[in-house]
Amino acid sequence: DTAVSQTPKYLVTQMGNDKSIKCEQNLGHDTMYWYKQDSKKFLKIMFSYNNKELIINETVPNRFSPKSPDKAHLNLHINSLELGDSAVYFCASTKHGGGAMNTEAFFGQGTRLTVV
Amino acid sequence: DAKTTQPTSMDCAEGRAANLPCNHSTISGNEYVYWYRQIHSQGPQYIIHGLKNNETNEMASLIITEDRKSSTLILPHATLRDTAVYYCIVRVESGANNLFFGTGTRLTVIP
Repeated sequence: DTAVSQTPKYLVTQMGNDKSIKCEQNLGHDTMYWYKQDSKKFLKIMFSYNNKELIINETVPNRFSPKSPDKAHLNLHINSLELGDSAVYFCASTKHGGGAMNTEAFFGQGTRLTVV
Repeated sequence: DAKTTQPTSMDCAEGRAANLPCNHSTISGNEYVYWYRQIHSQGPQYIIHGLKNNETNEMASLIITEDRKSSTLILPHATLRDTAVYYCIVRVESGANNLFFGTGTRLTVIP
């Protein structure tokens, strides 16, 4: 079983559309994240959710909204898509969200979003 | 979190040990050294982490110098599937908050 799974793997859509990317983890982890990898391959954190509460938002435009229906899911909804949103989006999860426990992060396979 | 410096790329012959260096001269006493890798078209994968002592797991070994200003990730017997970008990350917090993935080292394992 895949620990962290994202759907869809590829998403091609037109500017101005609204789309969602889904993420599920079956590890029983407390915290989930969304990362964006741009064309230069830099991975940057977007959001972090700990027990269904948003605990970080790295100056991401409010067109991006994470939604967590339960601890195992963190979906990413994007409104009014722009060309610059084209990137690979990765979901990740960790057992703990912070503090002294240094836990490894498990990443999904990524969703390649192309806005045309 | 402290900044890290890694070579842009490295080659390694299949079956040989791959030694990937990382400089983190501004590391603080409570910062851990993490290594992740990203194989083409896949998500990042955790490899190993350490604070002061050398660490070993089923994937790799991590050697941290006594002054903690640099470290080396060792893949003892590199295979073609180890071809990937390897990221050295120094941070205090646990989890994936502020995991800063820089440019990393692109390791190519050659048959």
